[in-house]
Amino acid sequence: NAGVTQTPKFQVLKTGQSMTLQCAQDMNHEYMSWYRQDPGMGLRLIHYSVGAGITDQGEVPNGYNVSRSTTEDFPLRLLSAAPSQTSVYFCASTGQGAPGNEQFFGPGTRLTVL
Amino acid sequence: GDSVTQMEGPVTLSEEAFLTINCTYTATGYPSLFWYVQYPGEGLQLLLKATKADDKGSNKGFEATYRKETTSFHLEKGSVQVSDSAVYFCALKSLGYQKVTFGTGTKLQVIP
Repeated sequence: NAGVTQTPKFQVLKTGQSMTLQCAQDMNHEYMSWYRQDPGMGLRLIHYSVGAGITDQGEVPNGYNVSRSTTEDFPLRLLSAAPSQTSVYFCASTGQGAPGNEQFFGPGTRLTVL
Repeated sequence: GDSVTQMEGPVTLSEEAFLTINCTYTATGYPSLFWYVQYPGEGLQLLLKATKADDKGSNKGFEATYRKETTSFHLEKGSVQVSDSAVYFCALKSLGYQKVTFGTGTKLQVIP
């Protein structure tokens, strides 16, 4: 199993540009989520999905869109990039069932918006 | 709502020193508790977990005990190594939910 994969690893954008961060998992997990990590702020939830066709907002959803057309893929779209979106983005997935099920994280995408 | 508070870092220790990173939480019901570790340039990975009161999670010499009476889940290790240098996150997941609430992370640096 590859686990959770993310592409690209690094990206530089100009203000106003749009792009999609890709995330895929091969563990047949129902729950997937996107976080951003900023210094001193831990991980903040952007959007999450409890299954194909179902998405919901986390605590910092503004400026981001998501969709979940398949169980495997959960792309994050930046509609019009802003310098405040400079961050490290992590995708994670969790299997259903036991309350102690852990989250599996991807390696992250480091995004810089100029 | 759910919240996790962990001690501020960075924490700098000499090799073979004893480590404690404090973590307290607020949640309704009986959450599952986790410690994740993030090595430089990598994503988070599970270090240990506990799913009910008085459970002790352990892995790689690290331990944490689920204390419901003090709503705490402190991380300990008896003798740290340079390779333990990383950022450590305490987290919880409330029963019936898949969302995870993370603390802000504690950076540990171990010097030879």
